[in-house]
Amino acid sequence: SQQGEEDPQALSIQEGENATMNCSYKTSINNLQWYRQNSGRGLVHLILIRSNEREKHSGRLRVTLDTSKKSSSLLITASRAADTASYFCATDVMIKAAGNKLTFGGGTRVLVKP
Amino acid sequence: DVKVTQSSRYLVKRTGEKVFLECVQDMDHENMFWYRQDPGLGLRLIYFSYDVKMKEKGDIPEGYSVSREKKERFSLILESASTNQTSMYLCASRPGNRGLREYGYTFGSGTRLTVV
Repeated sequence: SQQGEEDPQALSIQEGENATMNCSYKTSINNLQWYRQNSGRGLVHLILIRSNEREKHSGRLRVTLDTSKKSSSLLITASRAADTASYFCATDVMIKAAGNKLTFGGGTRVLVKP
Repeated sequence: DVKVTQSSRYLVKRTGEKVFLECVQDMDHENMFWYRQDPGLGLRLIYFSYDVKMKEKGDIPEGYSVSREKKERFSLILESASTNQTSMYLCASRPGNRGLREYGYTFGSGTRLTVV
């Protein structure tokens, strides 16, 4: 089951522009994470935002979280051709004291044109 | 850096074969996970393990089993491969919960399995 739904499904921008993608989810979470996947490869963890945080920055990435609306957004500023990839949000929920479970949204395909 | 290694990048197997997908991590992580990724269906959790000899069913466990005999290794087993198990399989790991710390997951590069 997909916890998160992402919007848009695909995004095409020029190098230097900003890219914004949104994620909605359904249940309570411990934290929300964003991942990048280059074509046919594994996922790379980008950023984690805790449920009690509202905004977080990492380099050119800015993530917001609104737990009242069960939504998050990822902003990539000053995009580069190397940012071309699929981006996934994922919600992390504690299942047992021993560990959590990560559930993914459908992803946003981002194309950055040189 | 934490490394999660999946033994095969590409695999082609015949219908009915028993298939083993291996995943090894080198950072002493307690939690390990197997996902499959399909176009239009996203990433779905098959099985996970919180520690050695422990296993939990994910969202789509039918047709699969797992083995975790050592902390660093988590194997996914397709008991009798079928064509609808053709997919990209991704392994991930994270530390077990320690107090209030929260962790990202580290993924392997994936195994693209084709069942013919």
